[in-house]
Amino acid sequence: QQQVKQSPQSLIVQKGGISIINCAYENTAFDYFPWYQQFPGKGPALLIAIRPDVSEKKEGRFTISFNKSAKQFSLHIMDSQPGDSATYFCAAIHRGSARQLTFGSGTQLTVLP
Amino acid sequence: AAGVIQSPRHLIKEKRETATLKCYPIPRHDTVYWYQQGPGQDPQFLISFYEKMQSDKGSIPDRFSAQQFSDYHSELNMSSLELGDSALYFCASSADGQGGDGYTFGSGTRLTVV
Repeated sequence: QQQVKQSPQSLIVQKGGISIINCAYENTAFDYFPWYQQFPGKGPALLIAIRPDVSEKKEGRFTISFNKSAKQFSLHIMDSQPGDSATYFCAAIHRGSARQLTFGSGTQLTVLP
Repeated sequence: AAGVIQSPRHLIKEKRETATLKCYPIPRHDTVYWYQQGPGQDPQFLISFYEKMQSDKGSIPDRFSAQQFSDYHSELNMSSLELGDSALYFCASSADGQGGDGYTFGSGTRLTVV
């Protein structure tokens, strides 16, 4: 059972468009929500992260929106570029754990030139 | 900047053989995490070590074992390999067991069991 549900599985956007990836969780003990970008054959790289006491965080073209009551969070990529084409994983870390990541199932993003 | 180093990058083993994967964390990082990523799958947590002691255990088969050494590098030992063990194995390191922002992944070891 996937503890962090991610959608869509794949996403195709035009260059300059907005890419939106959504995640939902059930466990209210999660207290940290990072997003990772992964290119083929490479390890996941931290993109941006948010804690549940913040509703939005923006870093450059990347924005996380967090809805604590709905237990949902999303990644928005503004002005999407072909170089953004990669697999994106949302993740969560459980409060009081050894800080291991629980990943969503991933979204394959393709940005068309 | 120094990153997490994993070796080997690629490994091909036959069924029932043994494999050892190595991970060298970022200097001064005392926590190591191991993840397994099957084809088209999300990474699954296997095991973690903090200050050379096992800190948590995930979906790691009994055929696998791991340890963290005095220099903080870690090794994942896999015995009686099965075809289903073919995957990318990632190591990540962080400081003070904090994970989160301090999490850095290596480039992984691709294990193919034939």
